[in-house]
Amino acid sequence: QVQLVQSGAEVKKPGASMKVSCKASGYTFTDNYMHWVRQAPGQGLEWMGWINPNTGGTSVAKSFQGRVTMTTDTSISTAYMELTRLRSDDTAVYYCARDEDEWFDPWGQGTPVTVSS
Amino acid sequence: DIQMTQSPSSLSASVGDRVTITCRASQSISTSLNWYQQKPGKAPELLISAASTLRGGVPSRFSGSGSETDFTLTISSLQPEDFATYYCQQSFRTPPWTFGQGTKVEIK
Repeated sequence: QVQLVQSGAEVKKPGASMKVSCKASGYTFTDNYMHWVRQAPGQGLEWMGWINPNTGGTSVAKSFQGRVTMTTDTSISTAYMELTRLRSDDTAVYYCARDEDEWFDPWGQGTPVTVSS
Repeated sequence: DIQMTQSPSSLSASVGDRVTITCRASQSISTSLNWYQQKPGKAPELLISAASTLRGGVPSRFSGSGSETDFTLTISSLQPEDFATYYCQQSFRTPPWTFGQGTKVEIK
């Protein structure tokens, strides 16, 4: 079955960078875009961007432009999302989700990231 | 960007109740509207795509309807496992994709 497995929880200091991985299995990795979505504590879902694993092309939400880099390693069917210049309001659970005709299915289990001094 | 507004933000209901959640888009999005269910501490799961297509394995008590700007998610007979937060999401033409703020369904 299609599965996305993300890297583990992280604790970072303000100003640092984070990089979350998302390993896909059960389908051809290059056939589907990969989304990144985050959820701050007690809040809703915020779309961050997506990447085309076939070309490496990305689209990033305006609020993250300049701080987010999305990449893939097709040899190991893994997507990565790096967020730089971390702030306390970047504390959230970060999800990857496969694009399937522009809906998100399935989702990874989530990676909690805490930004605190 | 297309804004998505859900109502209500939360509701209390009993097992067996019929529950309706609405989602309104700030502009016409045809039927490019998807619904997700999220339980505490878990990732969201897709329930309905393209406004009304029930995903495989989702119980038939869930249904979706609507087009253009107004959409509805209905649970015909609420079950204990349905207590969760529900999100709509638009995927009309080009990014950014946007979500509604969520509707929390709680036990009365």
